[in-house]
Amino acid sequence: QKEVEQNSGPLSVPEGAIASLNCTYSDRGSQSFFWYRQYSGKSPELIMFIYSNGDKEDGRFTAQLNKASQYVSLLIRDSQPSDSATYLCAVNPLSSASKIIFGSGTRLSIRP
Amino acid sequence: GAGVSQSPSNKVTEKGKDVELRCDPISGHTALYWYRQSLGQGLEFLIYFQGNSAPDKSGLPSDRFSAERTGGSVSTLTIQRTQQEDSAVYLCASSRLAGGSWGNEQFFGPGTRLTVL
Repeated sequence: QKEVEQNSGPLSVPEGAIASLNCTYSDRGSQSFFWYRQYSGKSPELIMFIYSNGDKEDGRFTAQLNKASQYVSLLIRDSQPSDSATYLCAVNPLSSASKIIFGSGTRLSIRP
Repeated sequence: GAGVSQSPSNKVTEKGKDVELRCDPISGHTALYWYRQSLGQGLEFLIYFQGNSAPDKSGLPSDRFSAERTGGSVSTLTIQRTQQEDSAVYLCASSRLAGGSWGNEQFFGPGTRLTVL
């Protein structure tokens, strides 16, 4: 089992709809969780981080964490074509407390 | 500077030559990470520095790869006797802290695209 798993996609969502990206992780003791956006040919850009169970909202983005079920998700409301990118989930596991483990990413495509 | 900087942005070299890639982290960040990303692939962890502690080299793919961090700031990743399979984007990231909660968010530089002919 991979430490951090994401569906590779592509996930196609119509403009204006809600895009839902999911991620599961294997280390139950993981403490911090991140979502990065990566445009083609660019480096990853941090868009959200969450440490506690529940929801964290920032503009059109909401991160949701459920430690009991070991998943973290990212919701993008009112999706725009500019949201089309690969979204990387990253987790700081207890087993490697100094590292962040990245998932392989979900490619999101917003269709006009 | 405001963000992580890396140089060069692009490097083309011939097989068998040595290359040096540089990373300048965000001022005040104690942790520095190197990753490699091949085309269409995920991030591959290479090495991690935290303050004055011994680096975590567990991700280095071979002994041709080495890295150092001088004065707790700038880091150099060196690849000796480059091979074609070393072609990738090399990304550097820094964080204020490492491990645990709060302050361990990583911020990435723009990367160095290495092409080995």
